[in-house]
Amino acid sequence: GAVVSQHPSRVICKSGTSVKIECRSLDFQATTMFWYRQFPKKSLMLMATSNEGSKATYEQGVEKDKFLINHASLTLSTLTVTSAHPEDSSFYICSASGLAGVQETQYFGPGTRLLVL
Amino acid sequence: AQTVTQSQPEMSVQEAETVTLSCTYDTSENNYYLFWYKQPPSRQMILVIRQEAYKQQNATENRFSVNFQKAAKSFSLKISDSQLGDTAMYFCAFMGVSGGSNYKLTFGKGTLLTVNP
Repeated sequence: GAVVSQHPSRVICKSGTSVKIECRSLDFQATTMFWYRQFPKKSLMLMATSNEGSKATYEQGVEKDKFLINHASLTLSTLTVTSAHPEDSSFYICSASGLAGVQETQYFGPGTRLLVL
Repeated sequence: AQTVTQSQPEMSVQEAETVTLSCTYDTSENNYYLFWYKQPPSRQMILVIRQEAYKQQNATENRFSVNFQKAAKSFSLKISDSQLGDTAMYFCAFMGVSGGSNYKLTFGKGTLLTVNP
């Protein structure tokens, strides 16, 4: 149990375009989903927290208009990088919690590698 | 704000031997959880072990065990009988569960563990 998927696994796009990344909890209902960014050889940086049916809470310094997060159902959250620029190139990871009603453990997706040309 | 410190950027161990990874944290909260996650070259984050702060007994999970010293705010991970598949980046993480924390994880910078044959 506790499988989280992400799609796509990697994406290359042109500067100025928007990219959507999906995060799905496959075998449990995720009341909360989290989005992280990870630079090479660095730790995970939390970008935002989203609860199903409500607006996402963004961490300080993260542009909410740049990184749009939607948590439309208990199994799906999406991150849209709008008007992407080369500096947005990174590894994006989602996680989900709520398995069996337990909020204290996050299960992670496999990540999405974004390259903006 | 909570901080998590991993003082060993890199470590190596011979196959079948035992290795201990260090982690210290700083918090004013009394109720929290601590985690160790591993990130192998595939970059998939995998939960290794979890410790509830209110439990005095150290968590164990097969070859993985922790030494949780609450007063010292220390949470080290011991890997016994190291295997080649244990080669990965290991992240220590803190989660406060007091009101308003929203179950967010704070990660350390990671320790790159290499298991040598």
